[in-house]
Amino acid sequence: AQSVTQLDSQVPVFEEAPVELRCNYSSSVSVYLFWYVQYPNQGLQLLLKYLSGSTLVKGINGFEAEFNKSQTSFHLRKPSVHISDTAEYFCAVIAFFGNEKLTFGTGTRLTIIP
Amino acid sequence: KAGVTQTPRYLIKTRGQQVTLSCSPISGHRSVSWYQQTPGQGLQFLFEYFSETQRNKGNFPGRFSGRQFSNSRSEMNVSTLELGDSALYLCASSSGDRSEKLFFGSGTQLSVL
Repeated sequence: AQSVTQLDSQVPVFEEAPVELRCNYSSSVSVYLFWYVQYPNQGLQLLLKYLSGSTLVKGINGFEAEFNKSQTSFHLRKPSVHISDTAEYFCAVIAFFGNEKLTFGTGTRLTIIP
Repeated sequence: KAGVTQTPRYLIKTRGQQVTLSCSPISGHRSVSWYQQTPGQGLQFLFEYFSETQRNKGNFPGRFSGRQFSNSRSEMNVSTLELGDSALYLCASSSGDRSEKLFFGSGTQLSVL
């Protein structure tokens, strides 16, 4: 079975400051990893995904994430946040093969302070 | 290309009633998944349909059921509603490939009184 842990339920950050949202996963097999963002009153949309290859993945809106296999982590980072980044962020994992569905973390609410 | 459409957007029901939610996927997508989202619980997987067959199922009671039609549109039904069923229900479509992203609708906000 696979699981995802997002330790921080809420992260307040000042505008133009850097941010890191943490994600750790657990799986006995190789996995694909995703970060989704949910803006108020909307569904989720993909920020970025890691399938294979380079461990540093760049996504939309200036976000990037680094896959660390030894630490089973996939932390999301942005060097300078904007008010428009206020949203909830979800990390998700799915095994390469098998019947297990995409599993989401409980989410991190990012609040940007002007 | 039209996105994932969920109807209705808001729904208010009372305990004991039943409800049907609808989801129209992106054209060409054969996989439709349903999630329940509540504060603090994140997204809980309900089920996935692929080409009219239920391919995967989460840990929800039998009161929650779904189906998919030949045009890939999907419906989710909840019978004998309970207060705890109040949540945002999200539908997501994809090609069905595990490495591909999900496209989410805006959800149906269900309130059970």
